[in-house]
Amino acid sequence: SQKIEQNSEALNIQEGKTATLTCNYTNYSPAYLQWYRQDPGRGPVFLLLIRENEKEKRKERLKVTFDTTLKQSLFHITASQPADSATYLCALAGNYGQNFVFGPGTRLSVLP
Amino acid sequence: SQTIHQWPATLVQPVGSPLSLECTVEGTSNPNLYWYRQAAGRGLQLLFYSVGIGQISSEVPQNLSASRPQDRQFILSSKKLLLSDSGFYLCAWSEWEGHGYTFGSGTRLTVV
Repeated sequence: SQKIEQNSEALNIQEGKTATLTCNYTNYSPAYLQWYRQDPGRGPVFLLLIRENEKEKRKERLKVTFDTTLKQSLFHITASQPADSATYLCALAGNYGQNFVFGPGTRLSVLP
Repeated sequence: SQTIHQWPATLVQPVGSPLSLECTVEGTSNPNLYWYRQAAGRGLQLLFYSVGIGQISSEVPQNLSASRPQDRQFILSSKKLLLSDSGFYLCAWSEWEGHGYTFGSGTRLTVV
């Protein structure tokens, strides 16, 4: 069955450092991969989408890579700030891109 | 601009009681609509999705149902709630395949 894993349940880093979050999947060939941010008690907020034929996508301090051979996506936040503290979710969808399956999330804490 | 409204924000219901959660989208036409559930400390589980009026697809067997009586209205219902129905229910919409989801603010349902 399809499985999505995010590297760790929680990740603590120091302010100013680069946070790297991992999303691994098995038994899946996604055409699209997305990353979301979720704050406690709120709905997820869309951050970035990357397609299977794209290796890397950037948006301001965010960078996403997508390696279909390794079946892995990496999500980087450079120059991290305490305001970046949240849970980050990866989500995958097949060719029709309609029904994204979400990973369990990684709770990131950026310490001042 | 597009907005999504979901209500109520919190709900406490006794076991065996009915449920009706409503979601409406403004500023777009023929959106793809979704209902997700997030159990405490867990990832998002897709419950239902709809690509048009009256078109509902169910992802998991359960005692919940969904309806789309109008283009921009999506309703989640149950005739008799179970304790296991407790969770954080999120409505979302997207414009086209692979596009990022926009989530509502969620409903925290507690079945007692």
